[in-house]
Amino acid sequence: AQSVTQLDSHVSVSEGTPVLLRCNYSSSYSPSLFWYVQHPNKGLQLLLKYTSAATLVKGINGFEAEFKKSETSFHLTKPSAHMSDAAEYFCVVTLNILTGGGNKLTFGTGTQLKVEL
Amino acid sequence: EPEVTQTPSHQVTQMGQEVILRCVPISNHLYFYWYRQILGQKVEFLVSFYNNEISEKSEIFDDQFSVERPDGSNFTLKIRSTKLEDSAMYFCASSARGTYGYTFGSGTRLTVV
Repeated sequence: AQSVTQLDSHVSVSEGTPVLLRCNYSSSYSPSLFWYVQHPNKGLQLLLKYTSAATLVKGINGFEAEFKKSETSFHLTKPSAHMSDAAEYFCVVTLNILTGGGNKLTFGTGTQLKVEL
Repeated sequence: EPEVTQTPSHQVTQMGQEVILRCVPISNHLYFYWYRQILGQKVEFLVSFYNNEISEKSEIFDDQFSVERPDGSNFTLKIRSTKLEDSAMYFCASSARGTYGYTFGSGTRLTVV
C-alpha cells in the first residue's frame, strides 16, 4: 500500500521569497515520488521525479525536492517564488518496481500555492 | 516532445446517457491509464491497461465503466449510463515501462446535467 500526505492545503508566499511545500509518504516498497503542477483549468505537468538515484532532485522552473528516507518526506522547494508559480501542486507516490501491469500513481490532496506581490 | 492527446476537451451529457472519452497514448508506450479528478478534489486512479486487458482497477471503476483499445492507437473510457456524480476531469496517461515516460493528457472535462 502507498499513500502521500500533503500537510498544507494552502500556502501563501510573497514574490521573491522561498517556497516550501511539504509532503510525507508511506510505501510498502521503495517508492518513486513525483511532484506535479496544475494551473487553473489545465492538465498535469511533471515538475520532477525521484526514482532511487540522487536524493536531491532538480526539476523545471527552478523547483527541487529532497528525498529523505529517515523522515519519509519529499518536500518541494524553490528559492524565489514567481507570480507564475501560483497553481496547485500534487505530491505523488508509486512503487519503484516493475509491476506486471503498470504503475498506479497515488496522489496527495494537493497544495494551492498563492504568490502575492 | 511526444504527447498524450485527449478528445474532446469538454463534453456535456445528459444523465443516463453513454459517453466515450478518447485518448491517443504515446505511440511506443505499453501501459495505459485513466484517472479522475472531481472538482476541488484530488486526482484518483481509475484503471490501468496492459496487453489488451485491465491490469488493475479501483473501487470507483464499477460495471458502468469500461475501457478498450479498439485499433492499436486509441484508448477509450466508456461510461455506460452517466450519473451526476460522474462529472469530473478525466485524465488519460501512458507509460513505456514502469514509471518511465509516464505522461498525462490535458484531460476531458465531463459535465453531466
